[in-house]
Amino acid sequence: AQSVSQHNHHVILSEAASLELGCNYSYGGTVNLFWYVQYPGQHLQLLLKYFSGDPLVKGIKGFEAEFIKSKFSFNLRKPSVQWSDTAEYFCAVNAGGYQKVTFGIGTKLQVIP
Amino acid sequence: KAGVTQTPRYLIKTRGQQVTLSCSPISGHRSVSWYQQTPGQGLQFLFEYFSETQRNKGNFPGRFSGRQFSNSRSEMNVSTLELGDSALYLCASSLNSGTDTQYFGPGTRLTVL
Repeated sequence: AQSVSQHNHHVILSEAASLELGCNYSYGGTVNLFWYVQYPGQHLQLLLKYFSGDPLVKGIKGFEAEFIKSKFSFNLRKPSVQWSDTAEYFCAVNAGGYQKVTFGIGTKLQVIP
Repeated sequence: KAGVTQTPRYLIKTRGQQVTLSCSPISGHRSVSWYQQTPGQGLQFLFEYFSETQRNKGNFPGRFSGRQFSNSRSEMNVSTLELGDSALYLCASSLNSGTDTQYFGPGTRLTVL
């Protein structure tokens, strides 16, 4: 069965600091990988996704993620965070072709002005 | 295009009762998935419906069931409620099953007393 691990459960950064959130998954076959974000009081929304091709994926609001197959990782990065990035971030994996997405437990990011 | 809508937004029930939650997907979307979100467990996949058929199921007891209608609207039912069923129940829709991006609704907050 597929699983997803997010290593940092709560991250506090100052504005303009760089961000990297770790995500590792366990599944030996072809996977589709996602990062979702949940801003306070809002729906979960897609930040970026990787299906195939270039392992460096760019998403909305300046976020990017790199798929490293040998490490089973899909880390999320942003060079300079803003206060408005305060939210909960979820890594997710879909394997096997059907819409059965497994989510990580989430990382709460707090950006201090 | 209207987003995914879920009704009701909030529910309070007592142990032993049953509850039905409703989800209307984005127009044209045929796949509807349900997730349970709790602080300790994150998002856990309940089941997915596509063209009125359950395509995939997570590891939840039989008290959790669902169905999908011909217009793609979906309902989720929980019978014999337990305190541990208190959670945010999220519905997500996508065009088709498989690798399509999921769009999430606002969720139904269920509290079991």
